[in-house]
Amino acid sequence: TQLLEQSPQFLSIQEGENLTVYCNSSSVFSSLQWYRQEPGEGPVLLVTVVTGGEVKKLKRLTFQFGDARKDSSLHITAAQPGDTGLYLCAGSPGNNRKLIWGLGTSLAVNP
Amino acid sequence: GAVVSQHPSRVICKSGTSVKIECRSLDFQATTMFWYRQFPKQSLMLMATSNEGSKATYEQGVEKDKFLINHASLTLSTLTVTSAHPEDSSFYICSARDNPTGSTDTQYFGPGTRLTVL
Repeated sequence: TQLLEQSPQFLSIQEGENLTVYCNSSSVFSSLQWYRQEPGEGPVLLVTVVTGGEVKKLKRLTFQFGDARKDSSLHITAAQPGDTGLYLCAGSPGNNRKLIWGLGTSLAVNP
Repeated sequence: GAVVSQHPSRVICKSGTSVKIECRSLDFQATTMFWYRQFPKQSLMLMATSNEGSKATYEQGVEKDKFLINHASLTLSTLTVTSAHPEDSSFYICSARDNPTGSTDTQYFGPGTRLTVL
């Protein structure tokens, strides 16, 4: 059974701090997606990474896919209260198999 | 692009009644849609994979006779919770995959339906 370990599960920080969320697996993924979800809403896609070693930036968010395509990280610089939410990673094993989901990271950024 | 709608957004029903939730891909065709259930501050739990024109594939532990899924067209899938009970109260979310043969497997999500069974 493929697993995707996401850490930390909960994170409460002050505005302006930096943070990193990790998703790790022993399995190789053909792609990996990061989503952000606010309470009462569906997850919103932030990024899809496909190539090993790939780095993508979305304003203050930096996403990295491990060289072996087994792990990924999300780094947020100078966090703001608007970044508060549940961050989810999901790995695709490919061949139309279902996504493997991390357990999520609940982030609270305090003003 | 890649917008998924879900209706209703919130429903309250009495125990024993059935509730239908619709999921639509608005600007793309989705041969595959997914239905998830989510508990507060937890990740998504896949219930079933809905394939257009064929029977849905249910995950282990999900009762197919209780959670009826119909995917009659390339833009619409429905989930019917039959004879709902309070323990069925949850946040139900659908998603649609827009690139089934590509190297990515990105899913686009609807806004979710909050079901409360009294």
